[in-house]
Amino acid sequence: GAVVSQHPSWVICKSGTSVKIECRSLDFQATTMFWYRQFPKQSLMLMATSNEGSKATYEQGVEKDKFLINHASLTLSTLTVTSAHPEDSSFYICSALPLSWTSGTYNEQFFGPGTRLTVL
Amino acid sequence: DAKTTQPPSMDCAEGRAANLPCNHSTISGNEYVYWYRQIHSQGPQYIIHGLKNNETNEMASLIITEDRKSSTLILPHATLRDTAVYYCIVSTGYALNFGKGTSLLVTP
Repeated sequence: GAVVSQHPSWVICKSGTSVKIECRSLDFQATTMFWYRQFPKQSLMLMATSNEGSKATYEQGVEKDKFLINHASLTLSTLTVTSAHPEDSSFYICSALPLSWTSGTYNEQFFGPGTRLTVL
Repeated sequence: DAKTTQPPSMDCAEGRAANLPCNHSTISGNEYVYWYRQIHSQGPQYIIHGLKNNETNEMASLIITEDRKSSTLILPHATLRDTAVYYCIVSTGYALNFGKGTSLLVTP
């Protein structure tokens, strides 16, 4: 099956610093990648949709200036948490939709293993 | 996307079938029913999907009612490794909106 990787798998940083998380589709090209956030004992919440070569679309309540998303190629999307604070500590997960995605038909998304961010 | 309702938790004895229900009464004609699961601290794992017909793969079976307003995921012989949160999602296949899911505990 298709594989999506995330790097790093975990990161600890000081408050006020910026952290970059990479999401890569290893054996397929992805038109679209999604970024989710998951707090302890809660479900995944969609943060933003990232399309290659265009600006990301953010869900309501997600600060686009704080969570910078870049989708520069069909295999890589990055999420940068700028000026991170302890409340940004969470599990960040990406998923990738293959290039062959077609509206109205079945499409399997492939999820990365997640990145655990701890801000001290 | 249509909203889904799942029981918050279920228990199942190892080796028995686990039947996880999901209500999606507002599903529209072009929306698929997807099931994913998430084992603690990992990314979600795809299980199965369906549109109208019942489906079976190596992991599970999906039973969708004729009116498509509800479905049941069946793990035929649950093992301890099936302990996870199971998410029923209704979507056209683009963004997946995860609800709270069902926390399944498989016991020895």
